[in-house]
Amino acid sequence: QQPVQSPQAVILREGEDAVINCSSSKALYSVHWYRQKHGEAPVFLMILLKGGEQKGHDKISASFNEKKQQSSLYLTASQLSYSGTYFCGTEYYGDYKLSFGAGTTVTVRA
Amino acid sequence: DSGVTQTPKHLITATGQRVTLRCSPRSGDLSVYWYQQSLDQGLQFLIQYYNGEERAKGNILERFSAQQFPDLHSELNLSSLELGDSALYFCASSPGQTSSGNTIYFGEGSWLTVV
Repeated sequence: QQPVQSPQAVILREGEDAVINCSSSKALYSVHWYRQKHGEAPVFLMILLKGGEQKGHDKISASFNEKKQQSSLYLTASQLSYSGTYFCGTEYYGDYKLSFGAGTTVTVRA
Repeated sequence: DSGVTQTPKHLITATGQRVTLRCSPRSGDLSVYWYQQSLDQGLQFLIQYYNGEERAKGNILERFSAQQFPDLHSELNLSSLELGDSALYFCASSPGQTSSGNTIYFGEGSWLTVV
């Protein structure tokens, strides 16, 4: 079962903030966030395990709300390099794989 | 560079043919995953191996098969190819299971074009 990401796309100007959500109807064990540039490999950003912890990577951070079975990725003071498609990968209890959402395309303009 | 090596990088073949995609995981990684990404689509999980054994299976077509060898490299075999099989095929690896807090690292992918 794949997680649901929202929004599908977002356009930002440099310095603006954005939030990407990843929701699941099943109990989550972990959430993994990746960014992919067109035609390239997805690049790992961060992993969040159950427990509601928040992690950060430069000015990109994420949270995991276990009660809501939802994770959010926060892009703060966006830079041109943040452009790309962001995927959340979810792992469910008893699974051994990551199921990815459809992705959120982020475009940062000067 | 993630350390995951995939070959070939590009492949063009005709319908009905068979191809083999190869993946060498990062040094020390025991798990190998295969994902398919069609044009502007998400990542569809195909199959996972852990230390030579199949551990998880996604919506992998019967025409597709995979295996992981004793040296831990993996191959994805695609047969009776159809136009719709054209996609970017990613291999990924991790030290162990994702449930252990391991994340997976993706290779550069193999572009398959079926004509």
